[in-house]
Parts: sequence; structure tokens; C-alpha cells
Amino acid sequence: GAVVSQHPSRVICKSGTSVKIECRSLDFQATTMFWYRQFPKQSLMLMATSNEGSKATYEQGVEKDKFLINHASLTLSTLTVTSAHPEDSSFYICSAKGQGKNIQYFGAGTRLSVL
Amino acid sequence: AQSVSQHNHHVILSEAASLELGCNYSYGGTVNLFWYVQYPGQHLQLLLKYFSGDPLVKGIKGFEAEFIKSKFSFNLRKPSVQWSDTAEYFCAVGGYSTLTFGKGTMLLVSP
Repeated sequence: GAVVSQHPSRVICKSGTSVKIECRSLDFQATTMFWYRQFPKQSLMLMATSNEGSKATYEQGVEKDKFLINHASLTLSTLTVTSAHPEDSSFYICSAKGQGKNIQYFGAGTRLSVL
Repeated sequence: AQSVSQHNHHVILSEAASLELGCNYSYGGTVNLFWYVQYPGQHLQLLLKYFSGDPLVKGIKGFEAEFIKSKFSFNLRKPSVQWSDTAEYFCAVGGYSTLTFGKGTMLLVSP
């Protein structure tokens, strides 16, 4: 149980385009989803927290207009990197947790490369 | 602000050796502690967690961790590692909602 699916696993795009990453909880209702970014040999850095039906809460230094997060249902959250630039290239990971449970279950991550 | 420090970036062991990975944290509140593992090419998986109660917690695959409040530590241990334990290990601390991760420790177990 507690499976989180993230898609795509890898994406390459041109500078200036937008990229959407999906995160789905397959066998539980995810009341809260989290988006992280991981740089090489660094820790996971929390970008934002989203609760179903509410606006996401962004961490300090994360541009909310650049990283659009939508959590429209209890099983799906999306992260859209708008007008991507090479410095946005990174590994993006989502996680989800259900109501009343303080355990996050992680997706496999998305490797974004912006040319 | 909360923070997590993992002492070793890389650890190399032979099979059957004992393992201890250090984790120290700072957190101003009721602390929940986690160890996650990421096997090559796979997603992060929960190894074990501590919320309250017995400070010695047992997780999957023979791993255990001990919460020592006075030392702000939550070290991960395994008495005898296997080649299949080769992975990256992350310590994390959090309250009810968000988690703060350490930088991870890459464990390489040679057969």
C-alpha cells in the first residue's frame, strides 16, 4: 500500500517552455502533497506544501509564479515549471501523506533538463 | 529552524560488517524522526520512524535506530549488512507536517 506515482521520470525541454509534472497517490487519499527539489549531492529541499483544494504554501525563496502547484483532487497534484531555464534543471520529487498520518510516501522523482 | 546533520557522506563496508550511521538534529518542538532509504534507481522508502514511546525503534530489513534525546541523535544501525543494503540513507526530522532532510549517506557494501 501507499504508492505514489510520479510522471514523467525524465524530461528534456527547451529554454522558455513550460513543463508539467504529475504526482498521484494510487491507493490512498493524499490530503497533503509536498514538492521537493534535490541538487546533486545535496539534501531534498522542500519547495512547497499543498493541501487538497487549497493554495500551496511555498517555502522562502521559491517563486510561486514560476513553480505552479495544483492539488485539485485527493489523488493528484501537479507542478508546472513555467518558462523553464537551464538553472531550473534539477531532480524534482513529490511526496504525499494521508489524513491523520504523519508519514510521507515518495514518488520516484522527475529529472528535468532544460537546454 | 530545524536542521539535520548526517555525519558521513560515504560509507564503504564489507558484507557482514556492522553499520552505524549518525544523525543529529535540532528542532524546537515535539519531534518526529525518520530514516528513509533510496536504492539505486528507486524512490525513497521509509525504513523506520520514531514518534514517541520506546526510543529504540525497529524498522524493515533488520535496521534499527535509537532516539537519544539528550544527544539530539537518531543513529541508524544494522548488525550485519548485506550487499543489497547498498543505497543512500536519509535522516529526516519534522513536526506534523513538513520534513527536513539531512544530506544523505551513500552506503556501499562490497560482497
